[in-house]
Amino acid sequence: NAGVMQNPRHLVRRRGQEARLRCSPMKGHSHVYWYRQLPEEGLKFMVYLQKENIIDESGMPKERFSAEFPKEGPSILRIQQVVRGDSAAYFCASSLSASDNEQFFGPGTRLTVL
Amino acid sequence: GDSVTQMEGPVTLSEEAFLTINCTYTATGYPSLFWYVQYPGEGLQLLLKATKADDKGSNKGFEATYRKETTSFHLEKGSVQVSDSAVYFCALFTGRDDKIIFGKGTRLHILP
Repeated sequence: NAGVMQNPRHLVRRRGQEARLRCSPMKGHSHVYWYRQLPEEGLKFMVYLQKENIIDESGMPKERFSAEFPKEGPSILRIQQVVRGDSAAYFCASSLSASDNEQFFGPGTRLTVL
Repeated sequence: GDSVTQMEGPVTLSEEAFLTINCTYTATGYPSLFWYVQYPGEGLQLLLKATKADDKGSNKGFEATYRKETTSFHLEKGSVQVSDSAVYFCALFTGRDDKIIFGKGTRLHILP
C-alpha cells in the first residue's frame, strides 16, 4: 500500500530554467495539496487541487508558479524561470476527502537553484 | 488569522530525559491539532493528533493534550531516545478551508 510518492527527490536547476515536481497521491485519494518549506521554516500551504480542478491557490505566488492535477497521472507543480529564492523543499500531501483532517505527506522534493 | 506558535529550538537533551515542546494556537472555532515529526532527509510523518478539547493524542511514548482553556497542545515524552532526534511541527486544521497551518518547527537533539 504505497504512500504519497514524489519525484524527483532532489532537483537542481540553474536560474531561469523550469522545474517540474510530480506527486502521486495515495491510492483512492483524489485531493492533493502542495506545501513549501523554506530553510528553517515550517510548511506553508500553496495550493489545493482535486482531479482536473484547482480549488484553492491562495498560497501560490502570482507569477511563475502553476499546478495541475489531470484526470490521469500525477499532480504537477511547475515553476518557470526559477530564481534562487525558490530553493526549498516542496511537499505534497493527499487526503481521502475535503473535510478529512488527516493529510498524508510525501517525502518531498528538495529544489536547489544555482 | 489562524496561527501556531511553538518554542524555538534547537532543544538539546540527554538520553532518558523528560521532554516538553510547547505549542499554542490561535484559531476561531474548534480546530483539530497535530504534531508531525520530520526525521533528517525525510518528509513529515503524523505523530499524534487530537480533534476536540481534552482529547489526548499519544504515539511512540509521546503525548499531547488539547487544552482549549489555554489554547495549547504541548508535546511531552517521559524518556527520550537518540532516535527521537528530529524536527517536530505543531499544526492545526480548522476545516473552514483546506490547509494545515504549521508552526515553524522545533529541532530536537538527543545526546547519548
